[in-house]
Amino acid sequence: DGGITQSPKYLFRKEGQNVTLSCEQNLNHDAMYWYRQDPGQGLRLIYYSQIVNDFQKGDIAEGYSVSREKKESFPLTVTSAQKNPTAFYLCASSIGIGFEAFFGQGTRLTVV
Amino acid sequence: GIQVEQSPPDLILQEGANSTLRCNFSDSVNNLQWFHQNPWGQLINLFYIPSGTKQNGRLSATTVATERYSLLYISSSQTTDSGVYFCAATYGQNFVFGPGTRLSVLP
Repeated sequence: DGGITQSPKYLFRKEGQNVTLSCEQNLNHDAMYWYRQDPGQGLRLIYYSQIVNDFQKGDIAEGYSVSREKKESFPLTVTSAQKNPTAFYLCASSIGIGFEAFFGQGTRLTVV
Repeated sequence: GIQVEQSPPDLILQEGANSTLRCNFSDSVNNLQWFHQNPWGQLINLFYIPSGTKQNGRLSATTVATERYSLLYISSSQTTDSGVYFCAATYGQNFVFGPGTRLSVLP
């Protein structure tokens, strides 16, 4: 089945630790995105990538880092510099920027 | 950057009623999508509709790009329609979500 897979579904970490969220797609899409959603709120863009080995900061990139070494993969690292990391994280992909985007099932990160 | 607004913020309906959700955007857009976020958080694609009208079963959507708005129509609503409906617009490299409309359909 083609789609976007995020793992894990739930993640717990201690404050001060870096954590990496996985996002894999087998849709042959060039563009990939990471969004953050806080309870009762909309989605805010963290980073996006138009093509392999290229990525751009979104509206709330501080405290996060990404890599795009392979077309299929766009992992997100939540660093200890992110002050409020507890949130729901959603990954998406599209053929290109401006085309229909599809989302994974999300990862709920809780930092204690 | 582009601003996306949605109205109403909350909507409560009796099962079987019809509803219209609105999305306004501040600039010309290349892409306009509607999503339904289910209780488990997953975003389900409803429509990819930069302009014109599309229908899918009980749902339909219309985007009037020149007037910078899009409408989502839900007819004969069911309890499974409950959740949050988001519109998202792309302008250049910006892919921006509205704040959402929370719909509750009562049995």
